[in-house]
Amino acid sequence: EPEVTQTPSHQVTQMGQEVILRCVPISNHLYFYWYRQILGQKVEFLVSFYNNEISEKSEIFDDQFSVERPDGSNFTLKIRSTKLEDSAMYFCATRTGNTIYFGEGSWLTVV
Amino acid sequence: EDKVVQSPLSLVVHEGDTVTLNCSYEVTNFRSLLWYKQEKKAPTFLFMLTSSGIEKKSGRLSSILDKKELFSILNITATQTGDSAIYLCAGPTDSWGKLQFGAGTQVVVTP
Repeated sequence: EPEVTQTPSHQVTQMGQEVILRCVPISNHLYFYWYRQILGQKVEFLVSFYNNEISEKSEIFDDQFSVERPDGSNFTLKIRSTKLEDSAMYFCATRTGNTIYFGEGSWLTVV
Repeated sequence: EDKVVQSPLSLVVHEGDTVTLNCSYEVTNFRSLLWYKQEKKAPTFLFMLTSSGIEKKSGRLSSILDKKELFSILNITATQTGDSAIYLCAGPTDSWGKLQFGAGTQVVVTP
C-alpha cells in the first residue's frame, strides 16, 4: 500500500490558471513535503509542512505557491497563476522515521 | 552549499553484469544518505545509510557509506532488465525532510 496517494496523475492547464494538486497521506503521518522534478532535471525540494504550518521552504516556493491541509487528511499544493516553467512532476512525500517516501506524482503541463 | 554528485550519469550493461554506482556528497550537517530507484514516476526507497562501513543489503542490491571520504556506492549484482531505472542518491540538509538530490545515474540493462 502506498504511503501517499496523489491526484490528479496528470493535468494540463493554461498559463495563468490556478492549479491544485492533492495528496492523501496515511493518517498517522505528521510530516509532509512537496518536491518537484522538471523533465530531465534533479528532484527539488519545495516545502515541508508540520503541525499545520510550513516549517521550511525553498527559494522556488515563492508567493505563487501555497500549501494547506484543510480537513486533516488531504494535503494540497496550490499554484496561483501558473507559468510555463511550472511544468513538472510534483511529488508529495511523507516521513516515516527518518526516511522520506514519495507519492506517484502529479504531472503538470502548462500550455 | 550542500551538494550531491553522482557518477556515472548513465551506463548500459548486459543482463547478469554487476554495476557500481557512485555518490559523493558535501552536506553541512550530515544525517544520512538515501538511495532511491526511479522508474517511470516516483522515487522508491532503497536504502538509508547512517554509519560508515556497514553494508546494507536487499536481494541483489547493496550499499555502503564512507563518512570519512564522503561517498557511498550502490551495487547491483546479476542485473536483470527490471533493474533498468534511474538511481538517485540524496541527503537531508537542514532537516530530515529537506533532501538534496543528485542528478541520478541512468542504468539500462539489455537482455
